[in-house]
Amino acid sequence: LAKTTQPISMDSYEGQEVNITCSHNNIATNDYITWYQQFPSQGPRFIIQGYKTKVTNEVASLFIPADRKSSTLSLPRVSLSDTAVYYCLVLSGGYQKVTFGIGTKLQVIP
Amino acid sequence: GAVVSQHPSWVICKSGTSVKIECRSLDFQATTMFWYRQFPKQSLMLMATSNEGSKATYEQGVEKDKFLINHASLTLSTLTVTSAHPEDSSFYICSARVAVSTDTQYFGPGTRLTVL
Repeated sequence: LAKTTQPISMDSYEGQEVNITCSHNNIATNDYITWYQQFPSQGPRFIIQGYKTKVTNEVASLFIPADRKSSTLSLPRVSLSDTAVYYCLVLSGGYQKVTFGIGTKLQVIP
Repeated sequence: GAVVSQHPSWVICKSGTSVKIECRSLDFQATTMFWYRQFPKQSLMLMATSNEGSKATYEQGVEKDKFLINHASLTLSTLTVTSAHPEDSSFYICSARVAVSTDTQYFGPGTRLTVL
């Protein structure tokens, strides 16, 4: 089970692009990188998932270098409503147990 | 797609009573569901893994006789907190796995349990 490391907190002004990097040095060949967002008193919300290179959806982009030992979640032009905790997870196909780290608390400032 | 619901969203009960929380996958079938607990300002902690038609697998330190899990169908798992005490007050979240290949999980909105 790959362990992940990400910053505990980040601050950003509204309208800026935010990049949150996660390191997962012992990621395995079958592992996928997945990011979740959690607001207070709500369940985590799936944001994006990727295996390698770059993945983009309507919410975010995920950049994964060739060695896959890290990944960067990119949130374009954040707003106050993006203030939340962001979790980086490494998930293995068919591997059931998931361990959440402490996540990155993003505070968007007006 | 991939919507997971929980009921109730919050519950307040007296110490010693039992509380049942339901987790449903609304638009997909989930052979595996997970139950987490989250205390204030902490991360999610996995309590147990629930497989349809079989006994749940509990994490170390989680009492299986206190937290009863039933996964009777591909769309419903229930968590019953038996003889609840104030220290069981927490935010309980379930999730359902969509695809085996990527192990992506979709989470319910959570249930706030307060035991008086």
